[in-house]
Amino acid sequence: DGGITQSPKYLFRKEGQNVTLSCEQNLNHDAMYWYRQDPGQGLRLIYYSQIVNDFQKGDIAEGYSVSREKKESFPLTVTSAQKNPTAFYLCASSPGQGPTEAFFGQGTRLTVV
Amino acid sequence: KQEVTQIPAALSVPEGENLVLNCSFTDSAIYNLQWFRQDPGKGLTSLLLIQSSQREQTSGRLNASLDKSSGRSTLYIAASQPGDSATYLCAVKSSGTSYGKLTFGQGTILTVHP
Repeated sequence: DGGITQSPKYLFRKEGQNVTLSCEQNLNHDAMYWYRQDPGQGLRLIYYSQIVNDFQKGDIAEGYSVSREKKESFPLTVTSAQKNPTAFYLCASSPGQGPTEAFFGQGTRLTVV
Repeated sequence: KQEVTQIPAALSVPEGENLVLNCSFTDSAIYNLQWFRQDPGKGLTSLLLIQSSQREQTSGRLNASLDKSSGRSTLYIAASQPGDSATYLCAVKSSGTSYGKLTFGQGTILTVHP
């Protein structure tokens, strides 16, 4: 089955720790995205990548980092600099720029303990 | 800056009703508009995609319309069922950026009771 796989489904982080969220897609899509979802605030763009070895900051990139070493993978690291990391994180992909459709993974729930 | 608004924020209806969810956006420079469904604690499932040149799209009991000039879209759900209960999100893909930014509304929480 083609799709986007996010792991883990639930993740717990201690204060001061870095954690990495995984996102893998087998749709052969060029573009990949990370969004954060908080209650009452909708989805906000953290980072996006249009092609391998290239990525750009979105609206709320502070405290996050990404890499795009392979077309199918776009991991997100939540660093200790992110002061309020508890949220639901969603990864998405699309064939590329232009009028293309976006597809989403099942999300990772990150909680600071 | 593109802004997307969804009305109502929440809707509760009895089973069998036809209902309309509304989405408005401020910048008409878009590639397309997508409607998504989100169940609690889950990811987003794409329901309908309307390209900027299209007026409507249909899938089963769902029909979405787009009026780009007025910045509005509606999602029509016919003969609602309890299984339709979820949060519905609309998102527009802007054509004014190099990467086609997707901007979301805050969603409509739909509850269909038996």
